[in-house]
Amino acid sequence: GQSLEQPSEVTAVEGAIVQINCTYQTSGFYGLSWYQQHDGGAPTFLSYNGLDGLEETGRFSSFLSRSDSYGYLLLQELQMKDSASYFCAVSSASKIIFGSGTRLSIRP
Amino acid sequence: GAVVSQHPSWVICKSGTSVKIECRSLDFQATTMFWYRQFPKQSLMLMATSNEGSKATYEQGVEKDKFLINHASLTLSTLTVTSAHPEDSSFYICSASLGVDTQYFGPGTRLTVL
Repeated sequence: GQSLEQPSEVTAVEGAIVQINCTYQTSGFYGLSWYQQHDGGAPTFLSYNGLDGLEETGRFSSFLSRSDSYGYLLLQELQMKDSASYFCAVSSASKIIFGSGTRLSIRP
Repeated sequence: GAVVSQHPSWVICKSGTSVKIECRSLDFQATTMFWYRQFPKQSLMLMATSNEGSKATYEQGVEKDKFLINHASLTLSTLTVTSAHPEDSSFYICSASLGVDTQYFGPGTRLTVL
């Protein structure tokens, strides 16, 4: 089967940096994705790591270590609009399974 | 970028009725679409994988006779919640895949069963 673990809640200060970790167990692993979801909205794609290492997209970066079955999402220069839920998701050949989500709250 | 639409965006129905939700990929052809259900403050739970022209693959615990999925074309998949009950009230989200690395999500359909 597949399982993912990520913290349920994280709180950070505006302008700071926050890292959301994700560990997973799966068979037929293709890659790890990150999605952002604001309350009442649908998830939006943030990043995908198919290979080990760091992927950077603006203020957001994502890291993967396949040997450790571990990845993280790094958010820099936090803005109030970044308050949302963040989901890691593992891809196999046929589907994508989501973690339980991390609710990020940002304080001024 | 790839755009996926859903219709309706919200629906309220009486217990015992059936509700159909449409998912369309607007600017690309999707051989595979996925249906998720999300309860408040919870994660997205994959219900089924829908492949054009073939029967949907349901996840364990999802009743295929209750959640009917049809993927008649490369741009349209439908989910019908049959004989809906209040416990079926949820946020239903579809997505379309262009590969294993990215899914594009529709805006979701909020179903309330009275």
